[in-house]
Amino acid sequence: AAGVIQSPRHLIKEKRETATLKCYPIPRHDTVYWYQQGPGQDPQFLISFYEKMQSDKGSIPDRFSAQQFSDYHSELNMSSLELGDSALYFCASDTFPRRETADTQYFGPGTRLTVL
Amino acid sequence: AQSVAQPEDQVNVAEGNPLTVKCTYSVSGNPYLFWYVQYPNRGLQFLLKYITGDNLVKGSYGFEAEFNKSQTSFHLKKPSALVSDSALYFCAVRDMGGGNKLTFGTGTQLKVEL
Repeated sequence: AAGVIQSPRHLIKEKRETATLKCYPIPRHDTVYWYQQGPGQDPQFLISFYEKMQSDKGSIPDRFSAQQFSDYHSELNMSSLELGDSALYFCASDTFPRRETADTQYFGPGTRLTVL
Repeated sequence: AQSVAQPEDQVNVAEGNPLTVKCTYSVSGNPYLFWYVQYPNRGLQFLLKYITGDNLVKGSYGFEAEFNKSQTSFHLKKPSALVSDSALYFCAVRDMGGGNKLTFGTGTQLKVEL
């Protein structure tokens, strides 16, 4: 079965540079979520999109922005990178859930960002 | 705000023995609970979820979890552990009142030894 695709898998940047992470959801999934996992930490929610509109926002720095495109893929843009941005960035996808069920978020393999 | 707690940073168990990884939750309203597993340098893999219905939920790779409303717990269990089960396990709760994001526990490192 098709899974969530993330690219690149690894990215090395210098401080103050910019980075763009891409996420391709599972086919027919219309909702995308971004999470950040620092070293030895649990994943923290950053932002989510449904039907190209931002649906929720978490602890995402102002230096970061994201969007979802008409084909449902999403991009996370990160500017003025800092050392503390070094982390594993996950994308997850699902279909917009009804209240009586909770669809499962399926995660991609992640992008490991290293800021030097 | 909703939250989950995993009181154990690490759980050690011998292969063939039963294993339990603990999780307690705090939510307003009905809980929607999940377990994920993370192998080194890999993404999060879904194991199982509790939405409603039977308190014992069966999932992938022989794992199951028991939902206990009175104790606000959702412990992950497996009757017979394998060395290959060694990984990082996360309990999570889904925010059904807002944007459906997952809030994770701090994770429990499971180590299964021969």
